[in-house]
Amino acid sequence: QVQLAESGGGVVQPGGSLRLSCAASGFTLSKHGMYWVRQAPGKGLEWVALIWYDGSNKYYADSVRGRFTVSRDNSKNTLYLQMNSLRAEDTAVYYCAREYDWKTRRLDYWGQGTLVTVSS
Amino acid sequence: DIVMTQSPLSLPVTPGEPASISCRSSQSLLDSNGYNYLGWYLQKPGQSPQLLIYVGSNRASGVPDRFSGSGSGRNYTLKISRVEAEDVGVYYCMQSLQIPFSFGPGTKVDI
Repeated sequence: QVQLAESGGGVVQPGGSLRLSCAASGFTLSKHGMYWVRQAPGKGLEWVALIWYDGSNKYYADSVRGRFTVSRDNSKNTLYLQMNSLRAEDTAVYYCAREYDWKTRRLDYWGQGTLVTVSS
Repeated sequence: DIVMTQSPLSLPVTPGEPASISCRSSQSLLDSNGYNYLGWYLQKPGQSPQLLIYVGSNRASGVPDRFSGSGSGRNYTLKISRVEAEDVGVYYCMQSLQIPFSFGPGTKVDI
């Protein structure tokens, strides 16, 4: 069955860096766009980034553009989010999600999330 | 950027009774291909979000038929025909027409 498993979260100081991973299984990662969505403690969902199925196009929320980089290694069935220059407001649970197809843009599977805490 | 709003933000419900949530976008979500790029997601307590409805009115696989979505352009509605106890959680609408994609603030549904 389809599974997405995030890892790499933790506590980091302001200005620091962290790389999140999302291991995909049960489907062919190279056929799907992938998203990162985050949720600050007690808050709503925020779209963070999108990468096309082949990595040819990447899009970011204004709040992270220039600091975060989304990438993927389809041969390893893994999605990444490199987070640099982290700020307190980046503290959140980060979810990866699969886009079923670009035609409908529905996020049909989500991981369990990984918590990133930015604090001194 | 497209801004999403929802109402109400809190919705007490009674099992067996209907419930309805509204979502409005600052711009039309109707694409030239005929699709309204509006999805509904439910986040149950302590869980990850799950897809309920996509392109405005299509029920996702495995979603009970008591859930329905409607609307076009800027106005959308999620209806639950008969609420069950397992339907509690926060419901989010999300637009995926224009990048940056965006979510509504969420509607908390509880018994």
